[in-house]
Amino acid sequence: DAMVIQNPRYQVTQFGKPVTLSCSQTLNHNVMYWYQQKSSQAPKLLFHYYDKDFNNEADTPDNFQSRRPNTSFCFLDIRSPGLGDAAMYLCATSREKGAFQPQHFGDGTRLSIL
Amino acid sequence: KQEVTQIPAALSVPEGENLVLNCSFTDSAIYNLQWFRQDPGKGLTSLLLIQSSQREQTSGRLNASLDKSSGRSTLYIAASQPGDSATYLCAVRGANAGKSTFGDGTTLTVKP
Repeated sequence: DAMVIQNPRYQVTQFGKPVTLSCSQTLNHNVMYWYQQKSSQAPKLLFHYYDKDFNNEADTPDNFQSRRPNTSFCFLDIRSPGLGDAAMYLCATSREKGAFQPQHFGDGTRLSIL
Repeated sequence: KQEVTQIPAALSVPEGENLVLNCSFTDSAIYNLQWFRQDPGKGLTSLLLIQSSQREQTSGRLNASLDKSSGRSTLYIAASQPGDSATYLCAVRGANAGKSTFGDGTTLTVKP
């Protein structure tokens, strides 16, 4: 019954080796978000898509990019991961951006950097 | 810039207690406020969403209130159970680009 699915749950990559995290949704929601959450900290928004319109947060590092090839899928690409990029990455969706729209989260992908 | 604060960072109570978690925010121009639960190593589960025009929402043993003018929300948990042990996060959605700002969470432990 999972509606926001993140794969894999755990990802290990080497320092500097590109990695891609994936998110899919069965809700047909217009908006998809990527958050980074470090241990015991608040989730921090990296970027979001409103349909095909990409919105990057001002303080998102340049080596973080995203793709949304269709409504259902969204990818997070980290071009050259550093040790500081080890974190839980959370994908979320909402039907629209407005006041009445809750966000629905996946279970996250925990990224480790060797 | 919106700032969201949750106090205390951690709370431990015996089973059966009623408790209140606090969330405060600095910019009252919000669309909504959402309370989430996060279990260790997991994603976020939505508990309650309060729109800016509302004052409270209830779901089972949970009641969330919103006082937008003072920048405060509370999550009331009645008759706490060990299964309620988790980190509780509040997120405030701004009235501009729809960005949500999260607090750092309150980690609740309910002891049997």
